[in-house]
Amino acid sequence: AQRVTQPEKLLSVFKGAPVELKCNYSYSGSPELFWYVQYSRQRLQLLLRHISRESIKGFTADLNKGETSFHLKKPFAQEEDSAMYYCALAGGTSYGKLTFGQGTILTVHP
Amino acid sequence: GAVVSQHPSWVICKSGTSVKIECRSLDFQATTMFWYRQFPKQSLMLMATSNEGSKATYEQGVEKDKFLINHASLTLSTLTVTSAHPEDSSFYICSALGLAATGELFFGEGSRLTVL
Repeated sequence: AQRVTQPEKLLSVFKGAPVELKCNYSYSGSPELFWYVQYSRQRLQLLLRHISRESIKGFTADLNKGETSFHLKKPFAQEEDSAMYYCALAGGTSYGKLTFGQGTILTVHP
Repeated sequence: GAVVSQHPSWVICKSGTSVKIECRSLDFQATTMFWYRQFPKQSLMLMATSNEGSKATYEQGVEKDKFLINHASLTLSTLTVTSAHPEDSSFYICSALGLAATGELFFGEGSRLTVL
């Protein structure tokens, strides 16, 4: 069975501070991991995926297979980063079938 | 970017009635769509995988007779909540898998169902 855990439901930081949203996963094979973001009153949208190794809006995430983690980081948080963040895992042959973590609400204070 | 639209955005119905929610990919074709359910302040739970032209694949614990899914075309999947009860009240979200090599998922805006 696959599982995604985001231990923090709420995370608050001040503008300009570093931020790290934690994500741990459980999966027996080679997972594909994603971070999705949902801004207030908007739909879910893809932030980044581990295979692309991109930096989107200043966010990065590194897959650590040893620690089974895929933490999302940004060195200097901005107020517009305030949103709900979901870590998600796609495993097996059913491409696009995602298992989501519980989500972390990030609030960046001015 | 690709757009997925759900209709209606919200619906209120009486207990015992059936409600249909549509999920459309507006500017791309989607052979596969997914239906999720989200309870307040909780994560998205995958309900079923909808494949165009074939029967949907339901996740364990999801009643297929309760949540009827039809994917009749490459741009439309429908979820019908049959004989709805208050416990079916929830936020239902669909996503569509693009045909591009990246296989990115595009999400609808969600449909809020309230059963009185």
